[in-house]
Amino acid sequence: DTGVSQDPRHKITKRGQNVTFRCDPISEHNRLYWYRQTLGQGPEFLTYFQNEAQLEKSRLLSDRFSAERPKGSFSTLEIQRTEQGDSAMYLCASSSDRGGSGNTIYFGEGSWLTVV
Amino acid sequence: AQSVTQPDIHITVSEGASLELRCNYSYGATPYLFWYVQSPGQGLQLLLKYFSGDTLVQGIKGFEAEFKRSQSSFNLRKPSVHWSDAAEYFCAVGPPNFGNEKLTFGTGTRLTIIP
Repeated sequence: DTGVSQDPRHKITKRGQNVTFRCDPISEHNRLYWYRQTLGQGPEFLTYFQNEAQLEKSRLLSDRFSAERPKGSFSTLEIQRTEQGDSAMYLCASSSDRGGSGNTIYFGEGSWLTVV
Repeated sequence: AQSVTQPDIHITVSEGASLELRCNYSYGATPYLFWYVQSPGQGLQLLLKYFSGDTLVQGIKGFEAEFKRSQSSFNLRKPSVHWSDAAEYFCAVGPPNFGNEKLTFGTGTRLTIIP
């Protein structure tokens, strides 16, 4: 169990540029989540995948945001035309549904985005 | 809509002293309840969770939490803190019977430990 890994850990980009974050979940986990955390706040739910299907999206996920999980394994979160308000830590997490509801979510260490 | 309130933004305690972090929630039914810890620049680690049954739940690192339905609270406690407990603590709720797929977090309580 290597844990949830995220790449890159830190990204500084100019306003208007596109950025992409990658998340590799724990290998046997079929559920994958993206959260966003701004300074001084708790994480906020963005979206959730079960295998390759994106089952829920928060209204926080504007049209500039897109998340994919093409083969039900790793996931990418892309932000187009970044704005300064996108500066945050983007957390990925994964879990397994094989034990029924309430399985533990394991979080990665996050990807910090700074838009200048 | 569900919400989580952590009224204490920052708490300072002496090493070896007891600790209680407060959490209140607003939800239509009894949700699933969680406490997470986050060290600076790191992701979140689950300390403990409550789904049903015994209202006093034990977690990792010597933490426990008590669910009080009448007060809509889920306070976190530790009898004797260690310097390594310094971190940010988040209370979270999840939809009952849906598990923890979509958690709502509080704004966190930052814990400082003094020698």
